[in-house]
Amino acid sequence: DAMVIQNPRYQVTQFGKPVTLSCSQTLNHNVMYWYQQKSSQAPKLLFHYYDKDFNNEADTPDNFQSRRPNTSFCFLDIRSPGLGDAAMYLCATSVRTGAHTEAFFGQGTRLTVV
Amino acid sequence: KQEVTQIPAALSVPEGENLVLNCSFTDSAIYNLQWFRQDPGKGLTSLLLIQSSQREQTSGRLNASLDKSSGRSTLYIAASQPGDSATYLCAGGPSNDYKLSFGAGTTVTVRA
Repeated sequence: DAMVIQNPRYQVTQFGKPVTLSCSQTLNHNVMYWYQQKSSQAPKLLFHYYDKDFNNEADTPDNFQSRRPNTSFCFLDIRSPGLGDAAMYLCATSVRTGAHTEAFFGQGTRLTVV
Repeated sequence: KQEVTQIPAALSVPEGENLVLNCSFTDSAIYNLQWFRQDPGKGLTSLLLIQSSQREQTSGRLNASLDKSSGRSTLYIAASQPGDSATYLCAGGPSNDYKLSFGAGTTVTVRA
């Protein structure tokens, strides 16, 4: 059974048109992450939540926002997508037990900007 | 800032050969280390987690080791099969936060 679920798997959006990607989890993990991965590159952390505490990476563009309304769901909002935002977006979860623990990833959402 | 390097970037081997994938960190103060598999266009599947108190972890044909003093980890895949063809990524995090730093991966092709 899928534990971290991302919807949709593929998203096509127009240049400048706001888009939202969603992630849900059945693991009840208190840490959720959003990563951006471009072709043949390492996943890059955009932000993460520890419970409701939002942690933004210093180099994450302001164009990217996130919401976590409850433990199970987390959303990535791209306010004005540019061609350079086309990428795979990966959601992950882990549980805090004092330090970093195993991370579980969803299947990703492939974003295309036209 | 933690930098993770994976060598080689790509590897092609005949079926049955053993695979050795390398991962190195600039900051050896990593807490846990995780190896992932990524199939084309898909997300990441966790293969092995080496926790802070461990030096290696095994699952079936996979074995991963971690040498914190040198900041290196190695993933061994025994008797490779065409189904092992994928990109393998390593990632580590420090003890004081929950961020994983990733390498760009090694893309493996196992020829039948």
